[in-house]
Amino acid sequence: DAKTTQPNSMESNEEEPVHLPCNHSTISGTDYIHWYRQLPSQGPEYVIHGLTSNVNNRMASLAIAEDRKSSTLILHRATLRDAAVYYCIPAGTSGSRLTFGEGTQLTVNP
Amino acid sequence: NAGVTQTPKFQVLKTGQSMTLQCAQDMNHEYMSWYRQDPGMGLRLIHYSVGAGITDQGEVPNGYNVSRSTTEDFPLRLLSAAPSQTSVYFCASSYDPWPGELFFGEGSRLTVL
Repeated sequence: DAKTTQPNSMESNEEEPVHLPCNHSTISGTDYIHWYRQLPSQGPEYVIHGLTSNVNNRMASLAIAEDRKSSTLILHRATLRDAAVYYCIPAGTSGSRLTFGEGTQLTVNP
Repeated sequence: NAGVTQTPKFQVLKTGQSMTLQCAQDMNHEYMSWYRQDPGMGLRLIHYSVGAGITDQGEVPNGYNVSRSTTEDFPLRLLSAAPSQTSVYFCASSYDPWPGELFFGEGSRLTVL
């Protein structure tokens, strides 16, 4: 599995954009980059995934570096409900075998 | 929309007791898996299944058994509970394993005394 590096914690203010970085320098060419988040006392929930191109959905955007060794999850307007631990997970074989690291704890200030 | 349902939500066991954590999904997903999460840590994969009758080990399988007799159900059995198995357990399922979007249950909090 590719090794990932994420900041332990980040802070943001409500209604401001948030950029959550992830380094995955050992990612293989067939690994997708998945992002999940875990709200307090809940199971993780899917946020977004991508392979090479930048991706957008209703929750967030994913910007993938051209060399694929890093990616950034972008929350366009943070809300208090976005306070969670965010996990960046390169995965190349099966979605059911995603390996979660310790992630980034995002705090959103009102 | 039930999604992934785990029971029980809370359980206290004594060392050496056995029990089964139940997981059921109603989305006709082929892929199911069990994770454990210790305080302040990420999730670690215990076992997973790519379809009925097929299971495989994850990162931390020791002390746990699984079976998959139906598409809907994926129970996790603790054979002889130990305090080191005190954790929150999450079941997850996905339709497409590549790349796959995992749907998680709400978790089962287990304490072993």
